[in-house]
Amino acid sequence: DAGVIQSPRHEVTEMGQEVTLRCKPISGHNSLFWYRQTMMRGLELLIYFNNNVPIDDSGMPEDRFSAKMPNASFSTLKIQPSEPRDSAVYFCASSLVRGGGTGELFFGEGSRLTVL
Amino acid sequence: KQEVTQIPAALSVPEGENLVLNCSFTDSAIYNLQWFRQDPGKGLTSLLLIQSSQREQTSGRLNASLDKSSGRSTLYIAASQPGDSATYLCAVGGNTPLVFGKGTRLSVIA
Repeated sequence: DAGVIQSPRHEVTEMGQEVTLRCKPISGHNSLFWYRQTMMRGLELLIYFNNNVPIDDSGMPEDRFSAKMPNASFSTLKIQPSEPRDSAVYFCASSLVRGGGTGELFFGEGSRLTVL
Repeated sequence: KQEVTQIPAALSVPEGENLVLNCSFTDSAIYNLQWFRQDPGKGLTSLLLIQSSQREQTSGRLNASLDKSSGRSTLYIAASQPGDSATYLCAVGGNTPLVFGKGTRLSVIA
């Protein structure tokens, strides 16, 4: 069974460019999460979706960040324009939520973003 | 706001030792607690999930316990091996998604 699939695995771009990160959650999961990991701040939740609907985007740092989930099998995280401080590893995770809480999370391998 | 703390930040042990990793959280109103392993440059691998109604979960050489009232969880690793070297992260789930600790970086020396 395929796990969470993220692309690209590595992205190097110049300041001001648009970056799009992609995620395919585990089939049958109904919740999807975008996290960012840095040495200084650890893992931080950016946004999460339930049944393709954004539930909480309070972790999105600025208007330069946006996320979409057009269907149950695909999500994107876009940064426009990118800045050097956006350099981090971005993780996507998915879970099957029944009732309360957010279920057991399964993570992708991450997208390592470097903005020069 | 939930805060999760993991102490120590790093730990080095000789092969074969039994060890305990600690996790504490500030808000006891949780649904579950999840332990992950992260290897350098890799994603997070789920090790154990403990529901709030449970006291412990076991998988092979790993045992995780949960004490909601005191806001603590421990991950016990028996007979450690060099392949156990990784960063171990604790994450707590409530009405909001998982909140992560900064992790404990474990080195098992052969």
